[in-house]
Amino acid sequence: RKEVEQDPGPFNVPEGATVAFNCTYSNSASQSFFWYRQDCRKEPKLLMSVYSSGNEDGRFTAQLNRASQYISLLIRDSKLSDSATYLCVVNRENAGNNRKLIWGLGTSLAVNP
Amino acid sequence: NAGVMQNPRHLVRRRGQEARLRCSPMKGHSHVYWYRQLPEEGLKFMVYLQKENIIDESGMPKERFSAEFPKEGPSILRIQQVVRGDSAAYFCASSHRRAGVPTDTQYFGPGTRLTVL
Repeated sequence: RKEVEQDPGPFNVPEGATVAFNCTYSNSASQSFFWYRQDCRKEPKLLMSVYSSGNEDGRFTAQLNRASQYISLLIRDSKLSDSATYLCVVNRENAGNNRKLIWGLGTSLAVNP
Repeated sequence: NAGVMQNPRHLVRRRGQEARLRCSPMKGHSHVYWYRQLPEEGLKFMVYLQKENIIDESGMPKERFSAEFPKEGPSILRIQQVVRGDSAAYFCASSHRRAGVPTDTQYFGPGTRLTVL
């Protein structure tokens, strides 16, 4: 089982739709969670951190469920510019405070006019 | 505050040559990470460095690959005797230190696209 698993998609949605992605992680000791987006042939860019209480940034809402070990990303009122790959990222604590980020393979979203 | 800088953006090498990829972290960041991304695949962690120290190189191939982050200057990822399978995008990310523990948020450079002919 992968440490971080995502549905690869692709998700094809019309403009204005609401779309949700889930991501599961296997390390119950993980403390930090993030969503990044990556456009084709570009670098990953931080979309938002995910906090225990859930957090919202405009049209984007992130949730964390520690009991079930998953995080989610909800995008409301999708725009064409939201088309990208969304990467779920979870930290893993190693010895000596070496915390490594474990990256999911990403979920592809295509928003259609 | 300039972001993470990588150069060159594109690098073409023939099989057997050496490739040197450079990364300058964001100002104030002392932690550097290198990742490789093959076409149509996810990010693969390679190595994590602090100034003058390799902290975690568990993702580095055992041969031909090395990385350094000297006291002065950029971090360097070096690939000796390149093969076609080394063709990929190589991303560098940096993070900063807080209260003795590196924060997790990583900021990425634009990447170097290596093509091996």
